[in-house]
Amino acid sequence: DTGVSQDPRHKITKRGQNVTFRCDPISEHNRLYWYRQTLGQGPEFLTYFQNEAQLEKSRLLSDRFSAERPKGSFSTLEIQRTEQGDSAMYLCASSLDGRATDTQYFGPGTRLTVL
Amino acid sequence: AQSVTQPDIHITVSEGASLELRCNYSYGATPYLFWYVQSPGQGLQLLLKYFSGDTLVQGIKGFEAEFKRSQSSFNLRKPSVHWSDAAEYFCAVRGTGFQKLVFGTGTRLLVSP
Repeated sequence: DTGVSQDPRHKITKRGQNVTFRCDPISEHNRLYWYRQTLGQGPEFLTYFQNEAQLEKSRLLSDRFSAERPKGSFSTLEIQRTEQGDSAMYLCASSLDGRATDTQYFGPGTRLTVL
Repeated sequence: AQSVTQPDIHITVSEGASLELRCNYSYGATPYLFWYVQSPGQGLQLLLKYFSGDTLVQGIKGFEAEFKRSQSSFNLRKPSVHWSDAAEYFCAVRGTGFQKLVFGTGTRLLVSP
């Protein structure tokens, strides 16, 4: 068990550029989640996948955001035309199977800074 | 909708002293409750969780938490704090049938020598 990994750990970009983040869940976990954490706040849910199916999206996920999990393993989160308000820590989590007693395990996060 | 309140933004505790971090939740049924810890620049590490049964749950690093339905609370405790416990602590709730975690705004713990 190598844990949830995320890449890159840090990303600095200019306003208007596109960025893509990757998350590799714990192997055999079929649930994958994305959260966003801004300074001084707790993480906020963005979206989650069961295998390759995206089952829920938060209203926070504007049309500039898109997430995929094409083969039910790793996931990518893309932000198009970044804005300064997108600066945040983007956290990925995975869980085994979504049962009632399921537990989400988090990766180290990708810190995005939009200049 | 579920919500979590952590009323203390910062708490300072002397090393070796006891600790209690407060967490109140809002949810119509019995929730699933979690405490996570986040060190600077890091992701979240699960300390403990409550699903059902015994209302006093034990976690890692000597932490425990007690679920009190009558007070809608899930406070985190540790009898003797170590300098390495300095971090941010988040309480989270997940409603029955829901997948997403709803987090509080966190409590930053400072440990003084």
